[in-house]
Amino acid sequence: EPEVTQTPSHQVTQMGQEVILRCVPISNHLYFYWYRQILGQKVEFLVSFYNNEISEKSEIFDDQFSVERPDGSNFTLKIRSTKLEDSAMYFCASSESPAITYEQYFGPGTRLTVT
Amino acid sequence: GESVGLHLPTLSVQEGDNSIINCAYSNSASDYFIWYKQESGKGPQFIIDIRSNMDKRQGQRVTVLLNKTVKHLSLQIAATQPGDSAVYFCAERGGSYIPTFGRGTSLIVHP
Repeated sequence: EPEVTQTPSHQVTQMGQEVILRCVPISNHLYFYWYRQILGQKVEFLVSFYNNEISEKSEIFDDQFSVERPDGSNFTLKIRSTKLEDSAMYFCASSESPAITYEQYFGPGTRLTVT
Repeated sequence: GESVGLHLPTLSVQEGDNSIINCAYSNSASDYFIWYKQESGKGPQFIIDIRSNMDKRQGQRVTVLLNKTVKHLSLQIAATQPGDSAVYFCAERGGSYIPTFGRGTSLIVHP
């Protein structure tokens, strides 16, 4: 069964450093998403991406965040200057067209720890 | 602001029992609801969804009930198994493709 993969599984970084979280969505999916989950809290939407551009983003997704689809398979989330409060699980998800199905497939997540 | 929440943070059941997980929502404009399962160390996994023009939908061992009058959503799991142990989130959508998640209920199934 096809699945979304994410690397690394755990990333430790120092405050102020840049991090790039990587995702490989399911190959025939066209819509991509990033979510985060701070420990013990709700899953929160960050951004959605379609046709090489951001389609929706939340208030969390400020200028410190960016997304990119550098090639035909990877989808990345970059945090330019990490803060302590960026420590969380980051989930990538992908889906077919929402006109067909709302079902999103989530990856296993990357645990980001900012020290 | 609008929110989606869960009544019970933890539910413990015996293997073989039926489980009911509840969710309250407050956004009356929500027209689509989803239940996700999240096992330890994994991402959320879609279980079942329901549109606001329905009040019941059944899947394999799972049933979702929607009561729009009281803005309440429930997930029923029949013959609960140890593999069902996980955190269950409800989520809602209203006017967007992006779900808003609740905090989650931890289901613990005792063998």
